[in-house]
Amino acid sequence: GAVVSQHPSRVICKSGTSVKIECRSLDFQATTMFWYRQFPKQSLMLMATSNEGSKATYEQGVEKDKFLINHASLTLSTLTVTSAHPEDSSFYICSARVAGGFYEQYFGPGTRLTVT
Amino acid sequence: GQNIDQPTEMTATEGAIVQINCTYQTSGFNGLFWYQQHAGEAPTFLSYNVLDGLEEKGRFSSFLSRSKGYSYLLLKELQMKDSASYLCAVMDSNYQLIWGAGTKLIIKP
Repeated sequence: GAVVSQHPSRVICKSGTSVKIECRSLDFQATTMFWYRQFPKQSLMLMATSNEGSKATYEQGVEKDKFLINHASLTLSTLTVTSAHPEDSSFYICSARVAGGFYEQYFGPGTRLTVT
Repeated sequence: GQNIDQPTEMTATEGAIVQINCTYQTSGFNGLFWYQQHAGEAPTFLSYNVLDGLEEKGRFSSFLSRSKGYSYLLLKELQMKDSASYLCAVMDSNYQLIWGAGTKLIIKP
């Protein structure tokens, strides 16, 4: 149980374009989902927390207009990287918190974004 | 400020035991998590401690001392597949996870 999927797993896009990443909880309801990014050999960096049906809460230094997050249902959250630049190239990982659980987070497999 | 400290890298031998320590200073405490992350993959959940003591789960055990702000992850009968980064994370008073930088564990034959 507690499986989280993420799509796509890898994406290459040109500078200036937008990319959408989907995060789904497959066998449970997730009232809260998290978006992280991770640079090579570094730890996870929380970008934003999204609660179903409400606006996402962004961490300090994360541009909300650049990283658009939508959490339209209890099983789906999307992250759209708008006007991507090479410095946005990173490993993006979503996680979902099990409703009614002890606050553990289950992670999706991650999306490797490369902006050329 | 909030801080999680764990060693950057450790090396151990296949079949041996290794202990990965984690110390923390956070605003509030609602539990400590250990995750395993293989290179290029997302983290996977290993353990959760909210009360003092040892939690055992197969070859992996996790210990917590809240008074000392200290935890460790103990891996027994090490296998080559245990080579990975191990992330310590503490849930603060706002139920946010504060992440350590991770400990890269290298297993040698």
